[in-house]
Amino acid sequence: EIVLTQSPDFQSVTPKEKVTITCRASQSIGSSLHWYQQKPDQSPKLLIKYASQSISGVPSRFSGSGSGTDFTLTINSLEAEDAATYYCHQSSSLPWTFGQGTKVEIK
Amino acid sequence: EVQLVESGGGLVQPGGSLRLSCAASGFTVSSNYMSWVRQAPGKGLEWVSVIYSGGSTYYADSVKGRFTISRDNSKNTLYLQMNSLRAEDTAVYYCARGVSVDPWGQGTLVTVSS
Repeated sequence: EIVLTQSPDFQSVTPKEKVTITCRASQSIGSSLHWYQQKPDQSPKLLIKYASQSISGVPSRFSGSGSGTDFTLTINSLEAEDAATYYCHQSSSLPWTFGQGTKVEIK
Repeated sequence: EVQLVESGGGLVQPGGSLRLSCAASGFTVSSNYMSWVRQAPGKGLEWVSVIYSGGSTYYADSVKGRFTISRDNSKNTLYLQMNSLRAEDTAVYYCARGVSVDPWGQGTLVTVSS
C-alpha cells in the first residue's frame, strides 16, 4: 500500500498570504496524484488532478506541481473562503490512498 | 448537471447489514470508474471500493469479504452492500466518479452501534 504523508498537519495563515502544502508518497506514483478541498460539513471537491492539471471552475490561485514521490499544492493569495482541510490522493495503484489531511485556518 | 445522490444510511447493530444506493444523473455510471469513499467522524478520507467501467471490482482490505460494490445500468445507480458491520465501519459514505474523483455525492451516514 502506498502511504501519502502530508505536511504540515495544520497551518494558520493570514489572508493574501501564500500557502504551500506538500504530499510525499512512499513510492513513485508518477503524476497520479490529485488534490481535494473539504470545507466543514461539505463533501470533498476536486482542486487539481494528475499533479498539476487545473479543474474548470477552480480559482486560478490554486496550483499543483510535482511528480514521482514529492508533490505540492500552492494557494497564492489566500482568501477567507479557502479555510478548509486539504487532502492528496493517489490513483497509481490499488488500494487508492489519501493523505491524512492539512487543515488551513484563517488568522 | 452531473450529480450523485446517496441514500440508505442509518443506524444498524453490529453484525447487521445495510445497502447504500447512489443515483447518478448527467452521466452514465457504467462508462465510468465509480467508487465508495468513507470518512469516520472527525477523521480523514478512506477509500473503500471501486468498480471499473469493465465491471472489475476492488476493495480495501478492511472491508474485503464483507462489502460488495455493484451497479444497475438500467437505473444508472451504484450500490454498496455492507454485511457483518462493525463499529469501526461507522462513517459518512460518499459515492464518487472517476479516478480523479469528481464529483462526490453529499454522503450518507452509517452508524454501527448497539
